[in-house]
Amino acid sequence: IAGITQAPTSQILAAGRRMTLRCTQDMRHNAMYWYRQDLGLGLRLIHYSNTAGTTGKGEVPDGYSVSRANTDDFPLTLASAVPSQTSVYFCASSESSVNEQFFGPGTRLTVL
Amino acid sequence: GQNIDQPTEMTATEGAIVQINCTYQTSGFNGLFWYQQHAGEAPTFLSYNVLDGLEEKGRFSSFLSRSKGYSYLLLKELQMKDSASYLCAVRDSNYQLIWGAGTKLIIKP
Repeated sequence: IAGITQAPTSQILAAGRRMTLRCTQDMRHNAMYWYRQDLGLGLRLIHYSNTAGTTGKGEVPDGYSVSRANTDDFPLTLASAVPSQTSVYFCASSESSVNEQFFGPGTRLTVL
Repeated sequence: GQNIDQPTEMTATEGAIVQINCTYQTSGFNGLFWYQQHAGEAPTFLSYNVLDGLEEKGRFSSFLSRSKGYSYLLLKELQMKDSASYLCAVRDSNYQLIWGAGTKLIIKP
């Protein structure tokens, strides 16, 4: 693989279910991010990780959790999905927190 | 609060020039980014400004005035493939990106 990948591409989920969105990068970037993008709104940061083993909360962290066990992977978990979490989710990475971010192809999530 | 303002939509003609403006009010400033996003795709990096002035990169240029909290993206010799949304983002004092809602650019032949 080259760059940053996300899985699944799209998912329809019943409310109350647990879901993990996967993100993997092979660029050896230190920093990784999760955003959600909703119509009419800018990208909003959910969680971030400046380096493996550390994570931080972004603008809209409630209902989401992340882990960063290694450099390459940064999964996002919805513990109990709600309809307001219907969105397009983008994972991104950057060499460090001061560099430009590269985005994965996104996951379109619908919670019913 | 933090705020990034961009026009929602703009229309331009193939071969022409278009300027997309971005104004910002953020807690701190550590650079401004422009990204391009085609419908249904991921954002891709276009340009970065941290000092006042113009940065040119081929058909695209980006300008920054920190004192005015203002930037613009200039696209020259427009092509149909330039039809996309253009996102302005400012890196704040915490080194997090604050994003505008994006400007949808429609190119007409």
